[in-house]
Amino acid sequence: GENVEQHPSTLSVQEGDSAVIKCTYSDSASNYFPWYKQELGKRPQLIIDIRSNVGEKKDQRIAVTLNKTAKHFSLHITETQPEDSAVYFCAATDSWGKFQFGAGTQVVVTP
Amino acid sequence: NAGVTQTPKFQVLKTGQSMTLQCAQDMNHEYMSWYRQDPGMGLRLIHYSVGAGITDQGEVPNGYNVSRSTTEDFPLRLLSAAPSQTSVYFCASKRSSRGTDTQYFGPGTRLTVL
Repeated sequence: GENVEQHPSTLSVQEGDSAVIKCTYSDSASNYFPWYKQELGKRPQLIIDIRSNVGEKKDQRIAVTLNKTAKHFSLHITETQPEDSAVYFCAATDSWGKFQFGAGTQVVVTP
Repeated sequence: NAGVTQTPKFQVLKTGQSMTLQCAQDMNHEYMSWYRQDPGMGLRLIHYSVGAGITDQGEVPNGYNVSRSTTEDFPLRLLSAAPSQTSVYFCASKRSSRGTDTQYFGPGTRLTVL
């Protein structure tokens, strides 16, 4: 089955700097790669996703890049703000539509 | 639309007790899932359903049962609770079993087993 690895597990950045989280996956048939943000005590919320026919997608300060050959994808957050502090999860879907999640990255943005 | 709803928000059980976590969605989604979330381990799939009357096991199914009698509801049953089942449980739904459908989460149930 699919296996997703996520790095780093924690990330501390200064406000205004960029943050990058990387994920690798194992199933070459995976074709959908969402990123979720989870604030403390809340549900995971989709922030951006990318499908396998696209190499990069942007939405304001966040972007995701996908390298299908290398089987890795990354989340980029620019001009970080305190409200970006949260746990971020990457995921990949397998051939049957099941999601496999990474272990999560705790992002702390310090003023 | 209320989206995905879960009850209760919090629950404390004693070892050996049984209970049912409720999940409902009003988006007419065929595909529903249950995950548990433990610190440092991400979200792990317990059971899932691709439509009414069809369920299957995920990564960590032991100690849990599910059924799907309607499109809207997907309850998770703990038959005999154990401390190892202390966790946060999330129900989720998506339109179909297509790999590219977006998945939406409920607010979660925090369960403590003493």
